[in-house]
Amino acid sequence: QTVVTQEPSFSVSPGGTVTLTCALSSGSVSTTYYPSWYQQTPGQAPRTLIYSTNTRSSGVPDRFSGSILGNKAALTITGAQADDESDYYCVLYMGSGDWVFGGGTKLTVL
Amino acid sequence: EVQLVESGGGLVQPGGSLRLSCAASGFTFSIYSMHWVRQAPGKGLVWVSHINNGGTTTTYADSVKGRFTISRDDARNTLYLQMNSLRAEDTAVYYCTRDRAYTFDSWGQGALVTVSS
Repeated sequence: QTVVTQEPSFSVSPGGTVTLTCALSSGSVSTTYYPSWYQQTPGQAPRTLIYSTNTRSSGVPDRFSGSILGNKAALTITGAQADDESDYYCVLYMGSGDWVFGGGTKLTVL
Repeated sequence: EVQLVESGGGLVQPGGSLRLSCAASGFTFSIYSMHWVRQAPGKGLVWVSHINNGGTTTTYADSVKGRFTISRDDARNTLYLQMNSLRAEDTAVYYCTRDRAYTFDSWGQGALVTVSS
């Protein structure tokens, strides 16, 4: 059973930079997993931020960026704003029509 | 503008059945693969099922395999999820999503399914 792990919580100061990560229980995350990232605020549907590792979805500001850092997928927020306070989820495509979400990271901006 | 509107949620007893629908508009539905993703109250997102464009290939999470069936009607621009043998742990908001490059591209607002006696 594949497990995708994210930091449960993270805190960043307004204007600061934060990097959230997405790891596999066994093995390294690479571009072949097509990592993607989603932002969700309470009571709302998720919003797609990043797909295919580092491609921003339409309308997403360029202070959100995706990458592979070491053996993990990463989402970096540069110049954090108050309304970035949300839950962030990554997803990895495992092949053969199987997708696995990470447990999500609750980001606090304070 | 891409729109996905889920319907069919509600309260159902354990062991019961429910069918969710997702009406798509603003894009050529027939050429896109589609997914269902769910979120239990206070929990994270979980991928449930995928169907390719054309409806010839379907896949499911282990937790719903054999109980849920995904299908599509391209003439009606509608995605479906037939849910049988429902359990309390299936209680969740179910989102319809469009696939793009192995990603969940656009999302509906979700339909709440509550399984309880």
